[in-house]
Amino acid sequence: AQSVTQPDIHITVSEGASLELRCNYSYGATPYLFWYVQSPGQGLQLLLKYFSGDTLVQGIKGFEAEFKRSQSSFNLRKPSVHWSDAAEYFCAVGPFSGGYNKLIFGAGTRLAVHP
Amino acid sequence: NAGVTQTPKFQVLKTGQSMTLQCAQDMNHEYMSWYRQDPGMGLRLIHYSVGAGITDQGEVPNGYNVSRSTTEDFPLRLLSAAPSQTSVYFCASSLTGDGYTFGSGTRLTVV
Repeated sequence: AQSVTQPDIHITVSEGASLELRCNYSYGATPYLFWYVQSPGQGLQLLLKYFSGDTLVQGIKGFEAEFKRSQSSFNLRKPSVHWSDAAEYFCAVGPFSGGYNKLIFGAGTRLAVHP
Repeated sequence: NAGVTQTPKFQVLKTGQSMTLQCAQDMNHEYMSWYRQDPGMGLRLIHYSVGAGITDQGEVPNGYNVSRSTTEDFPLRLLSAAPSQTSVYFCASSLTGDGYTFGSGTRLTVV
């Protein structure tokens, strides 16, 4: 069965430090992969997505993610974190069935940023 | 351009009551879906629709009903509310099914 694991429930970094959020997935075929961000009291905003091609994907707000098939991973990175990046981050995999992506989400990683 | 609009933002229900969570989008998106978000569990798909008149069940459909009579609207009905349905509910829509726009959510408490 398809699943998504985000090993880190909470992460705290200092402003200006680099960030890596981990995501591992279980899926039998080539996955569609997504990262979403949720600010407190808000809905989810798409940061980036991977379907095929270049395994390093650039997103909004200076984020990038790298797809590694051999490790079944899709980790999210940012070279220098800003205080406004404090939020919850969700990795999702989208099985493509019948022309519809049923997104399966990880449990999320809550990011805190120290000034 | 409003995007995905959910109403109400907050709701308290008594066990056994019914209600409808509203979702509307103005982007002419064919794909719409409902998720519930619970602490430590991410988002789980309740029901989804690939176009007007077409709906199907997601991962956790029990206790919920949907219909899609127009492209714009996708209401979620709770038939007989239970405390286990206390959650935050998100509606999402997509033009092509590959990247969704989410509403701001409805926080539901069942007492």
